[in-house]
This record gives sequence, structure tokens and C-alpha cells, in this order.
Amino acid sequence: DTGVSQDPRHKITKRGQNVTFRCDPISEHNRLYWYRQTLGQGPEFLTYFQNEAQLEKSRLLSDRFSAERPKGSFSTLEIQRTEQGDSAMYLCASSFPGGEGYTFGSGTRLTVV
Amino acid sequence: GESVGLHLPTLSVQEGDNSIINCAYSNSASDYFIWYKQESGKGPQFIIDIRSNMDKRQGQRVTVLLNKTVKHLSLQIAATQPGDSAVYFCAENTGFQKLVFGTGTRLLVSP
Repeated sequence: DTGVSQDPRHKITKRGQNVTFRCDPISEHNRLYWYRQTLGQGPEFLTYFQNEAQLEKSRLLSDRFSAERPKGSFSTLEIQRTEQGDSAMYLCASSFPGGEGYTFGSGTRLTVV
Repeated sequence: GESVGLHLPTLSVQEGDNSIINCAYSNSASDYFIWYKQESGKGPQFIIDIRSNMDKRQGQRVTVLLNKTVKHLSLQIAATQPGDSAVYFCAENTGFQKLVFGTGTRLLVSP
């Protein structure tokens, strides 16, 4: 399967803990995106990478959030000191530079208790 | 499973009918649009895309229409099937390859 893979699928954590999610994009894609989706809403853009460079970050990405793509392949999204408001589906997507083939993974469902 | 979009606009159709889902987009400079289908607990699934230099594009059982004058997109699904039941989102590329999603529409298909 050559789709976008995300791990884990589900994560339950206690408030104040740190969590890290992983995304493996489609291998031919050099752009990688992170989105967040809350119940009843469409996905909201968080950040994106072209190869290993992080080119844009949304205001939604507070200083507790950090994303990396060290070798231009997989990416991680870390949330420090989680809050209940961080509970959401975190989606990763990848595409070719012009946006073609913009494909989402199945997401990581985070629940902060 | 968990529902996506508990308070979304809903379109209910009978199996075999044609469905039309509408979307208004916000940025007149957007040059690329995508329709996604999202089932409960899953990520958005690409259905069809269209660039701003086109008015219409057809896929298998789906057609997207773009009216740039009124900033309106529609998705037409022919011969709707129960497996088409999901939440549908339109998304616009605002120029930096980040997508801005519209309000989703829940499609319910009755056998």
C-alpha cells in the first residue's frame, strides 16, 4: 500500500502529558501537511513541509506544538503539556509540489482526559 | 463508530437518485479545488479535483462544476449508492498548497 500512514490510530493521554504522532507520506510526494479536525468541522491547516523545510505554520500551532521532518521523509507532530482542548483528530496529508495528489491519512484520534 | 459532523447540513436521497452537493468558497484567488468524502473515523478521501481554468470535470459517477463568478462549486453523484453515504467537504487551495475546507454536507442514501 502506498498511501499516507499515520501512527498511532488512537491515543488517550492524561492532561499535562506529552504525545508524539508519526506520519509516513506517499514516497513520491515532497510536500507534507498536518491538519487538525474537531467534531463537526472540516480539517484546519496546522503546518506544512517541503522536503525537510517547514514553510508555514498556522496560528493554531501554539508553542506547545512542534513538527519535524528531519530527512524529508516521515514527519512527527509533538504536543507538549496536553490540554483537554487538544482533543481532536490529527490528520497528515502529502502531495506533489503543485498540490496534485493531495492525499490524507486516516488520522490519529487524540483524547486528553 | 464516531460520527463526523453531528450538526452538518444533510442531504437525504434514495438509492439510484442523482445527488448534488453544493459549496461556496471564500477566496477569489483560489486556483485549485478538491472534493473529499469522509466516513466516520476515517481521513478525508479524494474524490475529484478541478483547476480554476476549467468549468467542469467528470470522473466515474461524479462531476464537479465550478462557477468562479459566484464562487460556487458543486459535486454531482450519479446513481447514488448506499456506500456513498458520508460527509462531503469541498476544499480550496488558497495559493500556498494549504487547503481551506468548507462546511461539510452529510449525504444519507436510503436503500
